[in-house]
Amino acid sequence: GAVVSQHPSWVICKSGTSVKIECRSLDFQATTMFWYRQFPKQSLMLMATSNEGSKATYEQGVEKDKFLINHASLTLSTLTVTSAHPEDSSFYICSASSFGGSSYNSPLHFGNGTRLTVT
Amino acid sequence: SQQGEEDPQALSIQEGENATMNCSYKTSINNLQWYRQNSGRGLVHLILIRSNEREKHSGRLRVTLDTSKKSSSLLITASRAADTASYFCAPGPQGGSEKLVFGKGTKLTVNP
Repeated sequence: GAVVSQHPSWVICKSGTSVKIECRSLDFQATTMFWYRQFPKQSLMLMATSNEGSKATYEQGVEKDKFLINHASLTLSTLTVTSAHPEDSSFYICSASSFGGSSYNSPLHFGNGTRLTVT
Repeated sequence: SQQGEEDPQALSIQEGENATMNCSYKTSINNLQWYRQNSGRGLVHLILIRSNEREKHSGRLRVTLDTSKKSSSLLITASRAADTASYFCAPGPQGGSEKLVFGKGTKLTVNP
């Protein structure tokens, strides 16, 4: 149980275009999902917290107009990289908790990531 | 949220040996979690230890927690080549937040 599906697993796009990445919780409801990005051989950097039915909360230094997050349902969050540039090339990973609200003793379940290459 | 700091940054051992990784953090926690990341993949949750626990086992994994020293360790016994991955600790802060921040991890290489 507790599977998170992330799609696509890799994408190549041209500079200036937008790319949408989907993150789905397949067998549980996720009121909160998290988006990370990871540069080669580096740690995951938390970009934003996605809450179902409300605006995402972005970490300091992350451009909310560039990285649009939508959490329209309890099983789906999307990250859209708008007007992508080569420096946006990275590995993007989503995660979700199978327990929402007041339970903080629960693990996060991660998608397998999306490798974005902007040419 | 706070991130943990893993040590060492890299560890190379032979198959069958034990691997020990350490994690330090700065402020009080509700729990601490360990995750594994295989190259090019997402993270996989390994084990969660609560702040009132001192030791926890799961298969070949043993995690200890010393809240007085603000540190944790992950021991993998009888390592296998398949254990080759990066390992991250994630302190779960008191006060309530599911948000986890990750450090640089320990890159473990198990040589066959």
